[in-house]
Amino acid sequence: EAGVAQSPRYKIIEKRQSVAFWCNPISGHATLYWYQQILGQGPKLLIQFQNNGVVDDSQLPKDRFSAERLKGVDSTLKIQPAKLEDSAVYLCASSSRHQSGEKLFFGSGTQLSVL
Amino acid sequence: QQPVQSPQAVILREGEDAVINCSSSKALYSVHWYRQKHGEAPVFLMILLKGGEQKGHEKISASFNEKKQQSSLYLTASQLSYSGTYFCGTEGYMGETSGSRLTFGEGTQLTVNP
Repeated sequence: EAGVAQSPRYKIIEKRQSVAFWCNPISGHATLYWYQQILGQGPKLLIQFQNNGVVDDSQLPKDRFSAERLKGVDSTLKIQPAKLEDSAVYLCASSSRHQSGEKLFFGSGTQLSVL
Repeated sequence: QQPVQSPQAVILREGEDAVINCSSSKALYSVHWYRQKHGEAPVFLMILLKGGEQKGHEKISASFNEKKQQSSLYLTASQLSYSGTYFCGTEGYMGETSGSRLTFGEGTQLTVNP
């Protein structure tokens, strides 16, 4: 079974530039998550999709971050403009069912460095 | 609200045992445990649902005390491959159609030396 795919693997940009990350979840997984993991910390949920609808985006900094999941499969996360504090690993995860107690499958992440 | 993990770090010699604790200030439906090696994605270890069950996988097991809102991960006879950062994730019950809101702790860094 193919895992969660993410690209790019690494990205270096200057502050105030824009950046986009892509995620392809495991086939058939209805729920997709974007997490931000700052070095030395646990993953922090940014946004959660159920199919192509947003379930929870309460922790997404909406003035600069946006995400979409067209057709309920692939997803992109965008930052515009980036700040120094956005330097982190951005993890995408998916789960098969939209209910409590479902395990998450994570991608390898995109490591973002904002200079 | 973010769960609290302890200890923050532990160093073992191969074959020794370790316990990692996770506690929450809110009522929990489930506790997840994941392990993350440096530069890699977190990998699922196990889920414990409310009911106080204990689960195990080879020499790694966990317990969940829903009344105390605590979970513990037990690693026995540790192996070099156990090294990594262990995260607990907690969620309250959100119903069968409302999905999961998993909140992770800060992690416990485990190092197993030969």
